[in-house]
Amino acid sequence: AQSVTQPDIHITVSEGASLELRCNYSYGATPYLFWYVQSPGQGLQLLLKYFSGDTLVQGIKGFEAEFKRSQSSFNLRKPSVHWSDAAEYFCAVFFGNEKLTFGTGTRLTIIP
Amino acid sequence: GAVVSQHPSRVICKSGTSVKIECRSLDFQATTMFWYRQFPKQSLMLMATSNEGSKATYEQGVEKDKFLINHASLTLSTLTVTSAHPEDSSFYICSAPRLAGGSSTDTQYFGPGTRLTVL
Repeated sequence: AQSVTQPDIHITVSEGASLELRCNYSYGATPYLFWYVQSPGQGLQLLLKYFSGDTLVQGIKGFEAEFKRSQSSFNLRKPSVHWSDAAEYFCAVFFGNEKLTFGTGTRLTIIP
Repeated sequence: GAVVSQHPSRVICKSGTSVKIECRSLDFQATTMFWYRQFPKQSLMLMATSNEGSKATYEQGVEKDKFLINHASLTLSTLTVTSAHPEDSSFYICSAPRLAGGSSTDTQYFGPGTRLTVL
């Protein structure tokens, strides 16, 4: 069955520390992969996407993600988080049916 | 960048009434828009695909007679929750692909959402 999983519901990171948010999917082929961020009162904003090519993808706000086919993963990383990065992060996947499937989200809290 | 707006941002209504939510693409045309529903601390669930000039396509389990969708123009889609009940209380989000006529694999731009509370 096709699915996308974000194992971490809530992550707390100190400001300036590195961050990795996990995303795994289940699919027989390579899907299209996205990371979105949702801040209160604002729409989901696309951070980055992977369709093909270089498996390390650079996005906005200093984020990057790496597609690992062998692990069916597309983890989001940032070397040094800022207080403004506190938000809800969603991994989303197209499984070839033109419908975007979202993971359950990871809420990121930043502590001083 | 592309902007999608929603109106209203928040609405409270009595049980049994109908509520209309608008989704507009502000600087691009969208022949297709998508409507999602998000429950607290949960993910976004696709409800339906709004198609300009034709009927909306609903996901399995979504009542098309309850959630009426009208794609009136290339920049406007509306979702009307008819005879709303407390269980319809949720966060409703629309999105539109940036390229007119593009498939849903194009980058989606999301509206800020509408919080519906049914008393």
